Amino acid sequence: AQSVTQLDSQVPVFEEAPVELRCNYSSSVSVYLFWYVQYPNQGLQLLLKYLSGSTLVESINGFEAEFNKSQTSFHLRKPSVHISDTAEYFCAVSDPGTGGFKTIFGAGTRLFVK
Amino acid sequence: NAGVTQTPKFQVLKTGQSMTLQCAQDMNHNSMYWYRQDPGMGLRLIYYSASEGTTDKGEVPNGYNVSRLNKREFSLRLESAAPSQTSVYFCASSGPSIISNQPQHFGDGTRLSIL
Repeated sequence: AQSVTQLDSQVPVFEEAPVELRCNYSSSVSVYLFWYVQYPNQGLQLLLKYLSGSTLVESINGFEAEFNKSQTSFHLRKPSVHISDTAEYFCAVSDPGTGGFKTIFGAGTRLFVK
Repeated sequence: NAGVTQTPKFQVLKTGQSMTLQCAQDMNHNSMYWYRQDPGMGLRLIYYSASEGTTDKGEVPNGYNVSRLNKREFSLRLESAAPSQTSVYFCASSGPSIISNQPQHFGDGTRLSIL
């Protein structure tokens, strides 16, 4: 079964500094990979996704993630964070072979921008 | 632009009571999902419905039942609530254009406490 490990439970960072949120997944022949963001008292929002093709994917608000098959990683990065980026971020994986319905989430990383 | 609507937003139950969490989406999405969110554990899939008329178990289905009433509505029922079911419950949906079938739109959650 698929699993996801988010290596940091909390990441404090100063405004305008770069940030990396780390995510590793259990190996599989092929995977779909996602990052979601959750603001307080709200549901999750899809931030970006990797399905196939280019290993670098970007979101509309400056985040990017790179699929690294050899390291089974999908780390999320942003070169300069804002106060408004304070939220919890979830990495997720699913198996294309089973239709992708069973998306598995990591435990989350709380990003605190100060 | 309601998206995914969950009711109620908060509920307190006693052990052994039953209740149904309601979810409706107005985006004509085929697939719907129920997740629970517990501190330090991320979201865990309880049940999903790939299309109207079908339902399947997720990671943690024990103690729950679901009904896909029609294309819009997907309800989650706790027949005999237990304290271990205290959690925040999220409903989500995804449309037919999403080949990866990941949950795309989430409701704001139902905060359920079982005493």
